[in-house]
Amino acid sequence: GIQVEQSPPDLILQEGANSTLRCNFSDSVNNLQWFHQNPWGQLINLFYIPSGTKQNGRLSATTVATERYSLLYISSSQTTDSGVYFCAVGAYSGAGSYQLTFGKGTKLSVIP
Amino acid sequence: DVKVTQSSRYLVKRTGEKVFLECVQDMDHENMFWYRQDPGLGLRLIYFSYDVKMKEKGDIPEGYSVSREKKERFSLILESASTNQTSMYLCASSFDLAGAQYFGPGTRLTVT
Repeated sequence: GIQVEQSPPDLILQEGANSTLRCNFSDSVNNLQWFHQNPWGQLINLFYIPSGTKQNGRLSATTVATERYSLLYISSSQTTDSGVYFCAVGAYSGAGSYQLTFGKGTKLSVIP
Repeated sequence: DVKVTQSSRYLVKRTGEKVFLECVQDMDHENMFWYRQDPGLGLRLIYFSYDVKMKEKGDIPEGYSVSREKKERFSLILESASTNQTSMYLCASSFDLAGAQYFGPGTRLTVT
């Protein structure tokens, strides 16, 4: 199956700092999604981004599908940005079945 | 806004009990998914459904079954709960199979 690697595994930021999270994947994919899991366990879909660049407020994401990576940028971080950020890639198998494969996540802690 | 709800946030059951986890979405999505999340193992797909009464196994279907009698509702059933099924269970839905997935708040199940 497809391998998804996220880096760094842990990140501590001072409030107001910027950061870049990376997601590498091992094969061609149909889509890529970024999620934020808050401390209560809720997963929020941040971006659906099979290729190109998207922005939503202080967050933006870029996927370069041909080079099999995606980046999530967080600018002017706030304490509410704390949590775990997951990258997930979706692909159809040879048998026609579809699956979303998640990375292990980047745990972000933003301190005041 | 997409809303996915799960029947319980926390659940404690005894070994051998039959357990039902319910998930409801209000966006007329065709596809619904059940995942479990464990420390060090990440999110793993248990089952998904692409239409009413249709289901497909994910990576770890053993010990679980599912039911989808109505489009908006997808149930996960633990036929005989075991301690190794203690986990966080997350339900998701999407309009297209390869589309953006939206998650419920999760059910933290403890089997004693």
